Amino acid sequence: AQSVTQLDSQVPVFEEAPVELRCNYSSSVSVYLFWYVQYPNQGLQLLLKYLSGSTLVKGINGFEAEFNKSQTSFHLRKPSVHISDTAEYFCAVSATDSWGKLQFGAGTQVVVTP
Amino acid sequence: EPEVTQTPSHQVTQMGQEVILRCVPISNHLYFYWYRQILGQKVEFLVSFYNNEISEKSEIFDDQFSVERPDGSNFTLKIRSTKLEDSAMYFCASSTRSSGRKDTQYFGPGTRLTVL
Repeated sequence: AQSVTQLDSQVPVFEEAPVELRCNYSSSVSVYLFWYVQYPNQGLQLLLKYLSGSTLVKGINGFEAEFNKSQTSFHLRKPSVHISDTAEYFCAVSATDSWGKLQFGAGTQVVVTP
Repeated sequence: EPEVTQTPSHQVTQMGQEVILRCVPISNHLYFYWYRQILGQKVEFLVSFYNNEISEKSEIFDDQFSVERPDGSNFTLKIRSTKLEDSAMYFCASSTRSSGRKDTQYFGPGTRLTVL
């Protein structure tokens, strides 16, 4: 079984400041890792994913994440946020031997203010 | 850009009634999923579906629930005899290849189900 912990439920940040959203996971098997974003009144949209290879993954809208196997973490970062980045962000894992079942964290609400 | 659509956006029903939530996945996708999110809780996996069969389901997905692909475009989730605790946002998702593990799941905007 897998579990995902997002350490911050809400992160306030000023426009043009950097942001880091923390995600830790536990699993007895190998996993793939994902970050999804949910804008108000919309569905979940994939930001980026780690399947294998380079541990630094770049996604859409200037986001990147780093997979750290020893720390079982997959933290999401953006060097300079915009007002439009205000949304809820979900970290998720999928066991490599599953049929695509995603296990989500509780989400982190990012609020960007001018 | 193709997207997953869901209808209705909001469904209100009385406890004990049956509801059908509808989804239209992206047209060339082969894997289909339902997730739900109870207010204030995590998004939870319910079921995955491929080649007209359930490929994986969670403990939540008991006999009260069923899924169907009645035609070439729709994917439905039926909840028989709804309970108060079924109130949640239900998300449909789809992905491309026959082995959906690696592929991006594209999510619909959700159906908010309220059971009174």
